[in-house]
Amino acid sequence: EPEVTQTPSHQVTQMGQEVILRCVPISNHLYFYWYRQILGQKVEFLVSFYNNEISEKSEIFDDQFSVERPDGSNFTLKIRSTKLEDSAMYFCASRQGAGGELFFGEGSRLTVL
Amino acid sequence: GQQLNQSPQSMFIQEGEDVSMNCTSSSIFNTWLWYKQEPGEGPVLLIALYKAGELTSNGRLTAQFGITRKDSFLNISASIPSDVGIYFCAGPPAGGTSYGKLTFGQGTILTVHP
Repeated sequence: EPEVTQTPSHQVTQMGQEVILRCVPISNHLYFYWYRQILGQKVEFLVSFYNNEISEKSEIFDDQFSVERPDGSNFTLKIRSTKLEDSAMYFCASRQGAGGELFFGEGSRLTVL
Repeated sequence: GQQLNQSPQSMFIQEGEDVSMNCTSSSIFNTWLWYKQEPGEGPVLLIALYKAGELTSNGRLTAQFGITRKDSFLNISASIPSDVGIYFCAGPPAGGTSYGKLTFGQGTILTVHP
């Protein structure tokens, strides 16, 4: 069964360092998303991406965050200068069409020290 | 913004028992989704509800879309150990078409004792 894959599964970084989280969405999907889940809390929407541009973003997604689809398969989330409060599980998700089911990856755990 | 409140926050039950959890909102949702998250995994969609009053089943799971469109219920019958996980309700913004931008509840943690 097709699935959303994410790398790395866990990354530990120092505060102030840049981090790139990578995602390979399901191949025929057109809409891509990043969500965040701080330990023990709910899943929160960060950003949606369609047709090679951001379609919507939350207030969490400030200037320190960026997303990119550098080729036909990868979808990345970059955090320029990580803060302690960026420590969380980051989930990539994708869906095929406008009303389709959202499929989540297994997540990338980011720990900022 | 829209918020979803889930109750209970956690449940400890014996295998074979039925489970009921709910989700409420102060604002209307036009779609209700129920997800399950297991340790180390992303959320997986269990049931989607699109119409007020709708009752939908998926195996031992049954969910209902409240008539007021401000609540939803998820029931699990005859629980088994693999039902363990966190159950989230979620929904897209009312009046919007962005089904990918979901608001999640804070989750109900289910523990099943064999």
